[in-house]
Amino acid sequence: GAGVSQSPSNKVTEKGKDVELRCDPISGHTALYWYRQSLGQGLEFLIYFQGNSAPDKSGLPSDRFSAERTGGSVSTLTIQRTQQEDSAVYLCASTPPGHPRGNQPQHFGDGTRLSIL
Amino acid sequence: ILNVEQSPQSLHVQEGDSTNFTCSFPSSNFYALHWYRWETAKSPEALFVMTLNGDEKKKGRISATLNTKEGYSYLYIKGSQPEDSATYLCAFGAAGNKLTFGGGTRVLVKP
Repeated sequence: GAGVSQSPSNKVTEKGKDVELRCDPISGHTALYWYRQSLGQGLEFLIYFQGNSAPDKSGLPSDRFSAERTGGSVSTLTIQRTQQEDSAVYLCASTPPGHPRGNQPQHFGDGTRLSIL
Repeated sequence: ILNVEQSPQSLHVQEGDSTNFTCSFPSSNFYALHWYRWETAKSPEALFVMTLNGDEKKKGRISATLNTKEGYSYLYIKGSQPEDSATYLCAFGAAGNKLTFGGGTRVLVKP
């Protein structure tokens, strides 16, 4: 079946513009996660959705970052007034229903490579 | 702040040789330890999720061990092949399945 789909795969934009990154999880997966990897850094947690609600958004770096999920499916990560430090690979992952005890492998998309000029 | 560390950051291995590298993590409030392989231009792929102290898991030529009491896991690659070249990520799994990743070990297998 289809895996996690992210779009666009690459995005180049000017500093100060807003960007939207999209994630379409595996059908039936209830949990959805956003991570990012900045140059020279490890993968960093941003936000986690269970259904349409976000129990943990502790990783969002500033109020310029927001995310939503609708219909328990597609999620959009929005970055307003982009800065150069927002340049990174943004990864989305999903997991099937079950007790979220940290023991389910996450299924990742290919990521969006965001470059802020 | 959860500290998950991997070492070495990178290593070069001759084709056919075996190798191993380490992930260290907090030994308290342990739920699970994940290993992923991330090849360039692809998505990270789950290798193992380990939950019990003393767990050993194997997938082909790759295996992993877990020591939750002392907070470390080893990943082993036996008879390395060029297709094993990738970044190997470990991640500490917490409640809610939020993952805290280490910095990764980049493996380059030279023919």
